[in-house]
Amino acid sequence: GQQVMQIPQYQHVQEGEDFTTYCNSSTTLSNIQWYKQRPGGHPVFLIQLVKSGEVKKQKRLTFQFGEAKKNSSLHITATQTTDVGTYFCANTSGTYKYIFGTGTRLKVLA
Amino acid sequence: DAGITQSPRHKVTETGTPVTLRCHQTENHRYMYWYRQDPGHGLRLIHYSYGVKDTDKGEVSDGYSVSRSKTEDFLLTLESATSSQTSVYFCAIRDRGDTQYFGPGTRLTVL
Repeated sequence: GQQVMQIPQYQHVQEGEDFTTYCNSSTTLSNIQWYKQRPGGHPVFLIQLVKSGEVKKQKRLTFQFGEAKKNSSLHITATQTTDVGTYFCANTSGTYKYIFGTGTRLKVLA
Repeated sequence: DAGITQSPRHKVTETGTPVTLRCHQTENHRYMYWYRQDPGHGLRLIHYSYGVKDTDKGEVSDGYSVSRSKTEDFLLTLESATSSQTSVYFCAIRDRGDTQYFGPGTRLTVL
């Protein structure tokens, strides 16, 4: 079945540094969604990308969908302690099922 | 959070006992999902429902069954719990824009 690989698995950054997580698939994705899960919390939807080459921004967060729709990235500029958590990408695989990446756990050191 | 609640929030049980987790939503969403979350595996789909009495399997459905007799409730049952089913279980709904909203989770420990 379709798999979505996410790298890195863990990332520790100093507060103020940038952070990027990548989501890769061997097959074309119909869309890509990003979620954030704070420690001890539940996943929360951030954004959905649908179009090839799409770029969307939310304040310090920049989301990209690759031209071939096989990869996506989430970039955080000047991380803050509030950015701590695990970031997941997900794809609906063209059905009503969601396939999640394994997540990138971000730790921000003050 | 789309009015999703899960009960119980925490449960400790013994191997071989039946366990039922409940997901309740108040906004009449058609699609509901059960996931388990384990370190290194992210979120894995157990079962989902696309309407009352309409359910389908996810990628890790073995050892689990579900029922949905009312729109607002989606039950996950472990007929005979095993230690490998120790996990955090999340319920989710899908809104009309394909966004998923998650419940607060249930932490299940099987001894």
